[in-house]
Amino acid sequence: GEDVEQSLFLSVREGDSSVINCTYTDSSSTYLYWYKQEPGAGLQLLTYIFSNMDMKQDQRLTVLLNKKDKHLSLRIADTQTGDSAIYFCADSMDSSYKLIFGSGTRLLVRP
Amino acid sequence: GAVVSQHPSRVICKSGTSVKIECRSLDFQATTMFWYRQFPKKSLMLMATSNEGSKATYEQGVEKDKFLINHASLTLSTLTVTSAHPEDSSFYICSASRLAGGPHEQYFGPGTRLTVT
Repeated sequence: GEDVEQSLFLSVREGDSSVINCTYTDSSSTYLYWYKQEPGAGLQLLTYIFSNMDMKQDQRLTVLLNKKDKHLSLRIADTQTGDSAIYFCADSMDSSYKLIFGSGTRLLVRP
Repeated sequence: GAVVSQHPSRVICKSGTSVKIECRSLDFQATTMFWYRQFPKKSLMLMATSNEGSKATYEQGVEKDKFLINHASLTLSTLTVTSAHPEDSSFYICSASRLAGGPHEQYFGPGTRLTVT
């Protein structure tokens, strides 16, 4: 079945850039997503990218997609302490809109 | 915006009892709702897909008789954990897809933490 993998933990200093990486196996993915989860809360959609795009920028967020390598990354510029959370990448199956989530990357921003 | 609520946010129940969790889309109509389960420090695992007016589609390994899903209207889906046991303790999250929305139009509720004692 489909699989989405992420590194588990990332620590950065406030003001630095954060890069969270994700790999997926489903070659028929149409949309790929980044979600943010704060402690004890649900998921907040940060951004998404259509599979025929290489890059998408949205304020401090930049998503890069390498479809050949099935690699997705999320770059957060000027990382703030409020960005500390768990970040999930997800892959959608076109026919049903089901999302397959990665294991999540816990981002810790140090002052 | 598109807001999804869940009720209750937190519930503690005794082993053997049943618990109902509600998922509501507050300001939009949702043809499809999804139920996920999240274990501590783990990813979300899709349990079932719920379509309004029809039976839910369960993922492999999810017991349909234990996790009853009802999607009675375009704004409400319920998940009932029947005869709950301690291993059912988890964080349950629903999401709702907006009617005629695209794949990215999936909005998540805040989650319900279930503790079975």
